[in-house]
Amino acid sequence: QQQVKQSPQSLIVQKGGIPIINCAYENTAFDYFPWYQQFPGKGPALLIAIRPDVSEKKEGRFTISFNKSAKQFSLHIMDSQPGDSATYFCAAAGENAGGTSYGKLTFGQGTILTVHP
Amino acid sequence: GAVVSQHPSRVICKSGTSVKIECRSLDFQATTMFWYRQFPKKSLMLMATSNEGSKATYEQGVEKDKFLINHASLTLSTLTVTSAHPEDSSFYICSARGLAGRGRGYEQYFGPGTRLTVT
Repeated sequence: QQQVKQSPQSLIVQKGGIPIINCAYENTAFDYFPWYQQFPGKGPALLIAIRPDVSEKKEGRFTISFNKSAKQFSLHIMDSQPGDSATYFCAAAGENAGGTSYGKLTFGQGTILTVHP
Repeated sequence: GAVVSQHPSRVICKSGTSVKIECRSLDFQATTMFWYRQFPKKSLMLMATSNEGSKATYEQGVEKDKFLINHASLTLSTLTVTSAHPEDSSFYICSARGLAGRGRGYEQYFGPGTRLTVT
């Protein structure tokens, strides 16, 4: 019940394309859903996050879509660039998420995105 | 804002020695810090959660005597890998979360990571 399932494992798009990465969760106590971007040999960087009271959030070229009833959320990258090539992780956290400590993140498995020029 | 640093960025040590990794929140007070381990092409595995001034909470399967965590101040947490062995070689990443300013609520900000190689 603590898992966050992320797909696809890897994704290749052409420059300008719109890669979409999907995540699904089971624990209804989760109420915070961030996305992180990680480059090789670096720590993850917080990209964008959403809470269940909204269905969509956009920051620059990054958009999160959230479907509370389906317990799914996804990341869309508009006008993707080669510099967006990285590993993307979704995560989830909740104040009362089944006994986990406050705000502890549960990560998805990661998606390796490659954007070809 | 919300910058987290780690030191060292890379360390090579001999089997049986101990290594200390520092994690600092540079522009906010981190009431909680987390330590993760990451294997190549894998997700982040939470090792422990530390709150300032109290003992760390370790995840199941993580040896607390091997991975010593100290969170002595609101801006510094340390992870010491004791009696390191080659199987401890990994990428160790810390994150920090505060209650005020950036890092408010659930937001975790990650350090750049430390590559540990045990020979």
